[in-house]
Amino acid sequence: QLQLQESGSGLVKPSQTLSLTCSVSGGSITSGGYSWSWIRQPPGKGLEWIAYIYHSGTTYYNPSLKSRVTISVDTSTNQISLRLNSVTAADTAVYYCARVPNWNLWYFDLWGRGTLVTVS
Amino acid sequence: DIQMTQSPSSLSASVGDRVTLTCRASQGISYYLAWYQQKAGKAPKLLIYAASTLQSGVPSRFSGSGSGTDFTLTISSLQPEDVATYYCQKYNSAPTFGQGTKVEIK
Repeated sequence: QLQLQESGSGLVKPSQTLSLTCSVSGGSITSGGYSWSWIRQPPGKGLEWIAYIYHSGTTYYNPSLKSRVTISVDTSTNQISLRLNSVTAADTAVYYCARVPNWNLWYFDLWGRGTLVTVS
Repeated sequence: DIQMTQSPSSLSASVGDRVTLTCRASQGISYYLAWYQQKAGKAPKLLIYAASTLQSGVPSRFSGSGSGTDFTLTISSLQPEDVATYYCQKYNSAPTFGQGTKVEIK
């Protein structure tokens, strides 16, 4: 059973860089034709898609965040990473990694538990 | 950009009631719509994709319908464990979520 686990900096100062890692266990991130995404949810608010990556390295970003965000994959460690620079309080949120079951149909069939990042 | 609007924002119903949630896209998205259930303090869970396809393991009391701009999620008989916020998401292009509908038990 594939599982996703987010980890990273829980408290980030304004203007600094947020760095998160999603560790995938129970299978390889390169198998099954899956892709991966990061999604966030500010406290008490709705969901916002951030970025997408295929294991080949193809990436897509939310246009509203594109200038500040980088998603990457490390097949040797079975991890997906997210970096968001120049953070502000508006970036305070629970950050989720999620699996995309089809490379061209971007819904999310498996989610991690999420990790709270506070910018303060 | 295509906007997703859910209604109502919240509802309260009795156990056993039939509950219908609505999601409207500002432009046509064919059948590229998913529904998620998010319980308090938990990650979202995929219920339905392709507007009406039930994800494996999801109870059959959940169903989805619609295409183009108007979609519905129906819970045929509301159960206490269905208390959650429900989100729709379009995926014909960059993913966008609705603002959610909170479902409570009366």
